[in-house]
Amino acid sequence: QKEVEQNSGPLSVPEGAIASLNCTYSDRGSQSFFWYRQYSGKSPELIMSIYSNGDKEDGRFTAQLNKASQYVSLLIRDSQPSDSATYLCAVINAGNNRKLIWGLGTSLAVNP
Amino acid sequence: EAGVTQSPTHLIKTRGQQATLRCSPISGHTSVYWYQQALGLGLQFLLWYDEGEERNRGNFPPRFSGRQFPNYSSELNVNALELEDSALYLCASSRSDRGYTFGSGTRLTVV
Repeated sequence: QKEVEQNSGPLSVPEGAIASLNCTYSDRGSQSFFWYRQYSGKSPELIMSIYSNGDKEDGRFTAQLNKASQYVSLLIRDSQPSDSATYLCAVINAGNNRKLIWGLGTSLAVNP
Repeated sequence: EAGVTQSPTHLIKTRGQQATLRCSPISGHTSVYWYQQALGLGLQFLLWYDEGEERNRGNFPPRFSGRQFPNYSSELNVNALELEDSALYLCASSRSDRGYTFGSGTRLTVV
């Protein structure tokens, strides 16, 4: 079992819709969770971090964490074509407070 | 606050040569991470340096090496370059468990 799993996609949504991206992780003791956005040929950019159960909202982005079920999700409201990118989920495992464990990413396409 | 800076932006080398890539972390960040990302593929962890020491190493051959200097900047050296080393090399820095900040990367092309 991979430590951090994401559907590779592509996930295709129409402009203005809600895009829902999901990520599961295997280490039950994981403490810190991150979503990065990566445009083709560019470096990853941190867009959301979440550390406790529940929802965290920042503009059009909402991160949701459920430690009991070991999943973290990212919702993008009012999706725009500029949101088309690969979204990477990353987790810091218990006992290692620095090293990120990465998923392979979900490709999102927002269609005008 | 200045971000993570990497140099050079692009690097073209011939097979068998050596490449040196450089990274300056955000001020106050003591950890530096190196990743390789081949075209269309995911991030492959290379090296992690913290406080001048190598903390962790990914599944790469010994010809990939690096170091971290007292000012926390870092360099990645790749010896005996092979065609498959062509990739985007990303450096990131962090200070705690608050995630990484990435530089813009160095595009290495081996011909």
